[in-house]
Amino acid sequence: EVQLVESGGGLVQPGGGSLRLSCAASGFTFSSYAMSWVRQAPGKGLEWVSGISGSGSSTYYADSVKGRFTISRDNSNNTLYLQMNSLRAEDTAVYYCAKHTVVTPHDAFDIWGQGTMVTVSS
Amino acid sequence: QPVLTQSSSASASLGSSVKLTCTLSSGHSNYIIAWHQQQPGKAPRYLMKLEGSGSYNKGSGVPDRFSGSSSGADRYLTISNLQSEDEADYYCETWHSNTHVFGTGTKVTVL
Repeated sequence: EVQLVESGGGLVQPGGGSLRLSCAASGFTFSSYAMSWVRQAPGKGLEWVSGISGSGSSTYYADSVKGRFTISRDNSNNTLYLQMNSLRAEDTAVYYCAKHTVVTPHDAFDIWGQGTMVTVSS
Repeated sequence: QPVLTQSSSASASLGSSVKLTCTLSSGHSNYIIAWHQQQPGKAPRYLMKLEGSGSYNKGSGVPDRFSGSSSGADRYLTISNLQSEDEADYYCETWHSNTHVFGTGTKVTVL
C-alpha cells in the first residue's frame, strides 16, 4: 500500500522558532518521484509550499517561504523533510506531504499524507 | 502564473448529479489540471488529472461516478448519483514554472 506519514509538527514561538517536519514514504520507489509540501491554514484552502525532484538535485519554493524553509530528502531512508526557520504566525497550518506522478515536480500530486499540525504562537 | 477560479459552493440532492467548474486565467486555457477531494477533517485525495481535450486519468479507487470534461478554459468535475460521502471540498490544481497553484475550492453539500 502506498503511504505517506508526516511527523514533527507542534507548537513553536514566533520570531526565532524552528521546526523540522518529516514524511516517511512506503509502498513505492521513493527516488523515482518528486515530492512536495502543501499547507492548509485553519479554515482556509490549500497552498503549495515547496517541491523537490526525485534525485533531490532540484528544489522549489513558494515566495512566502523562500529563504526560511528548506526541503530535502533521504532516498536511502525513503524520507522527505521540511526544515522551517524564522517561523511566523501566518505559517500556522496543517502541513501535508504529497507525491507527484513523475520524477520532477511538474505534474499533479496523486498521493497525500494525513498531515501534521504546526502552530506558531506565543 | 495561472489563476484558477472556482465557485465557493454547490449543492444537489442525494442521487442526483452536480457539475463543478474550474476556470483557468487568460493565457493558460490549455493547461492540464488535477481535481482533489477533501472530506471534512480529512486529508485531500487525488481524483483525476484532466487535459484541455477533455481526456482524464483517474486515481486508484476513484468511483466511476466521478468524471471530467473540458471546454476552452473551463475544466469540469461531474459527480453522478451523488452520495452522502461526496459532501466535501473540491480543489482544482495546476502547475507552472516550478510552482503549483490551487483554486479556492468548492464546497459541495448533499441535500
